[in-house]
Amino acid sequence: DTGVSQNPRHKITKRGQNVTFRCDPISEHNRLYWYRQTLGQGPEFLTYFQNEAQLEKSRLLSDRFSAERPKGSFSTLEIQRTEQGDSAMYLCASSPLRSPNTEAFFGQGTRLTVV
Amino acid sequence: AQSVTQLGSHVSVSEGALVLLRCNYSSSVPPYLFWYVQYPNQGLQLLLKYTTGATLVKGINGFEAEFKKSETSFHLTKPSAHMSDAAEYFCAVSGLGGGADGLTFGKGTHLIIQP
Repeated sequence: DTGVSQNPRHKITKRGQNVTFRCDPISEHNRLYWYRQTLGQGPEFLTYFQNEAQLEKSRLLSDRFSAERPKGSFSTLEIQRTEQGDSAMYLCASSPLRSPNTEAFFGQGTRLTVV
Repeated sequence: AQSVTQLGSHVSVSEGALVLLRCNYSSSVPPYLFWYVQYPNQGLQLLLKYTTGATLVKGINGFEAEFKKSETSFHLTKPSAHMSDAAEYFCAVSGLGGGADGLTFGKGTHLIIQP
């Protein structure tokens, strides 16, 4: 399978705990995006990497959230001191670096439940 | 700022009937427009996209959409609905810059197919 892979698929955590999600993009894709999707809403942009550089962060990304993409390959999204409002589906997407803009390929997401 | 409005959070059609899902956008730059489909607990799959050129775009599974600049619309249609089309559909827009801003999604339309 050469699609975008996300792990874990589901995560249940207690409020106040830290969680980390992993995304493995399609291997030749330079761009990697994280989105958050809450129930009944469309995905909302969180952050974007081009290779290993984090080029843009949404104001939705509070200081409890941090994302990395070491060596421009896989990416991790960490949430510290989780809150119930963090419960959502976290989606990762990747796309190649070319113009014109092309579609982003999405993983199946990690569903986080904070109890 | 870019935004996407999808009219109707739920649309119900009979199997074999025309499917019409509405999408209006606002963008300060010429938009790139996308329709994605999401099945339960899955990531997003691209149906079709408009970047430049022909304004009538054909996608997978018999779907098509027409970009109408004067109406700032990108409605999704399918001549004959199939039970397997039941899913959540998202319209999205991105500006120039090759996706650097990420995608801005509408809130989605849940398509229900009646037998």
